[in-house]
Amino acid sequence: DTGVSQNPRHKITKRGQNVTFRCDPISEHNRLYWYRQTLGQGPEFLTYFQNEAQLEKSRLLSDRFSAERPKGSFSTLEIQRTEQGDSAMYLCASSPEGRRSSYEQYFGPGTRLTVT
Amino acid sequence: EDKVVQSPLSLVVHEGDTVTLNCSYEVTNFRSLLWYKQEKKAPTFLFMLTSSGIEKKSGRLSSILDKKELFSILNITATQTGDSAVYLCAPAKNNAGNMLTFGGGTRLMVKP
Repeated sequence: DTGVSQNPRHKITKRGQNVTFRCDPISEHNRLYWYRQTLGQGPEFLTYFQNEAQLEKSRLLSDRFSAERPKGSFSTLEIQRTEQGDSAMYLCASSPEGRRSSYEQYFGPGTRLTVT
Repeated sequence: EDKVVQSPLSLVVHEGDTVTLNCSYEVTNFRSLLWYKQEKKAPTFLFMLTSSGIEKKSGRLSSILDKKELFSILNITATQTGDSAVYLCAPAKNNAGNMLTFGGGTRLMVKP
């Protein structure tokens, strides 16, 4: 399978605990994105990497959230001191970079986080 | 603030019907508009539209963009039960990352 993969697929945690999610993009894609989706809503942009550089962060990304892409390949999203409002599906997407000005983003299956 | 509104919110049709889904947007630095289909999993890419008035087709699905009036439509002809899903539209910004701003989606249910 050469698509975007995410782990774990489901995570249940208690309020106050830290969690970390992983995303492996399509191998030749330089761009990597994190989105959050709550029930009945469209995905909301969180952050964007081009190779290892984090170039954009949404104001939705509070200080408790941090994302890394250390070698420009896989990425991790960590949430510290989780709150019940963090319960959502966390989606990762990747896209190529090239001469075209816009490229479609391909999404992974997501990590569903439930904070109890 | 960027705004993307999809209508209708939900739609129930019978197999064989034709449906039209609407997406209006107000997005700064607009570059293109993407349509995705989402079943009980990640969104899957359908179309990317960058130019006004040029229809894109894929089988029974087609889509068109109007950059003057700031809207797009997605048509599905001869609907099948497998078309049941949430359809999301997402304008992309004209910046390095082409970040997407998603609408809330239209939930389509196709009955046999």
